Amino acid sequence: DGGITQSPKYLFRKEGQNVTLSCEQNLNHDAMYWYRQDPGQGLRLIYYSQIVNDFQKGDIAEGYSVSREKKESFPLTVTSAQKNPTAFYLCASSISQETQYFGPGTRLLVL
Amino acid sequence: DAKTTQPPSMDCAEGRAANLPCNHSTISGNEYVYWYRQIHSQGPQYIIHGLKNNETNEMASLIITEDRKSSTLILPHATLRDTAVYYCARGIYNQGGKLIFGQGTELSVKP
Repeated sequence: DGGITQSPKYLFRKEGQNVTLSCEQNLNHDAMYWYRQDPGQGLRLIYYSQIVNDFQKGDIAEGYSVSREKKESFPLTVTSAQKNPTAFYLCASSISQETQYFGPGTRLLVL
Repeated sequence: DAKTTQPPSMDCAEGRAANLPCNHSTISGNEYVYWYRQIHSQGPQYIIHGLKNNETNEMASLIITEDRKSSTLILPHATLRDTAVYYCARGIYNQGGKLIFGQGTELSVKP
C-alpha cells in the first residue's frame, strides 16, 4: 500500500528539548517537503529536498533542521531554538517538482 | 509580498454547485494554480491544478481568468462530505516545486 506516513500522530516537547518528526514515503518520489500549519492559517514551507543529500530552506526554517540520507525518508528536527513550536506539521512528496501529496500530519504540543 | 487571498468561509446547499474563488493578482507567468482541501486534522488532499487553460477532473473544475489574476474552483454537485477547508496555492515547477498557500476557505455544505 503506497503512501506517505508520518509519526507520531501527537508529540509533546518539553522546554529546551529537541524533538524529531518522522516522514517516510514508498512512492519513489524524488522531492520531499515539510510545512507548518498554525490554527486558522495556511501552510508555510519549512524545508524541502529535491534529491538525496541535498535540501534547501523554505520561508520559516529558523529553529528547524532536516536530513535526507535516504530517498524514502526526510526527518524534521524541531530544536530548542524554535520558541513557538506548537503547530501541525505536514510532510509532502512529489515526483521531481510536480504535484505534491501530503501525509496525515503530526501535531506538536509543548508541555 | 505576493499574496494568495481567499474568503474565509462559504456555505453551499447540498446538490448545488460550490464556487470557491481565489485571488492571485501577482501570479507570475510560470506559476501554476493548485487547489487542495483539508478535512479537520488530516493532511491536505490534492484536487486539481492548472496554468492557463480551464481544467476538469473527476473531482472538480478549475476556471482561470484570462489575465490569470484569479481562479475559481467548482464542485459541480456538492455533498455533505465536501465540507472542508479549501486551499488555493501557487507553485513554480522549476523552483523546487515550492507551493505558496492562501489562508483557505472553510466550505460548509448544508442539507
